[in-house]
Amino acid sequence: DVKVTQSSRYLVKRTGEKVFLECVQDMDHENMFWYRQDPGLGLRLIYFSYDVKMKEKGDIPEGYSVSREKKERFSLILESASTNQTSMYLCASSPPRGVGNQPQHFGDGTRLSIL
Amino acid sequence: AQSVSQHNHHVILSEAASLELGCNYSYGGTVNLFWYVQYPGQHLQLLLKYFSGDPLVKGIKGFEAEFIKSKFSFNLRKPSVQWSDTAEYFCAALNTGGFKTIFGAGTRLFVKA
Repeated sequence: DVKVTQSSRYLVKRTGEKVFLECVQDMDHENMFWYRQDPGLGLRLIYFSYDVKMKEKGDIPEGYSVSREKKERFSLILESASTNQTSMYLCASSPPRGVGNQPQHFGDGTRLSIL
Repeated sequence: AQSVSQHNHHVILSEAASLELGCNYSYGGTVNLFWYVQYPGQHLQLLLKYFSGDPLVKGIKGFEAEFIKSKFSFNLRKPSVQWSDTAEYFCAALNTGGFKTIFGAGTRLFVKA
């Protein structure tokens, strides 16, 4: 069974801080994704990666960056946290496209509050 | 622009009532369609998926969905809901061969015991 593990379930940070959210998957998936989930807005894609050291912007990349140094790990970085980045952050992974277009597997989420 | 629309944001039903959650997508080309569910305090998980073939797909826990290409719809149904179906449901679409899955805004279902 695929396991996607996010480092924290809850996190509280201050405005201006640099924040790191970590995600690890154990199924050797090529694709990894970071979303934020807000009430009434569903899931919005921040960044995704289809290979080590590769990254692509999603729909709302402003204020975020990512790092993928190893296949199993995908980190989301808030360069200078702001209150409008208070949200639930979800990490997901999936096999490469063409492999049956398998659905994504999600972590438990990190509820981040910026004070 | 590619989009996924869910018709209802909140649905309240009594146990044993029938459920239908609407989903419409706006996509060019061939799409793969999904319904995900998020139970309170749990991670998103796949309920069912459509890639090709029979447009009526069956998922876990008695859920099914019908892909109607002419209507760009993929509605989720269950003939008799249970209290344990209380959750948030997300419809999603992915262009075949693509990377980006587009999610709808979600529908919160509350089932009264």
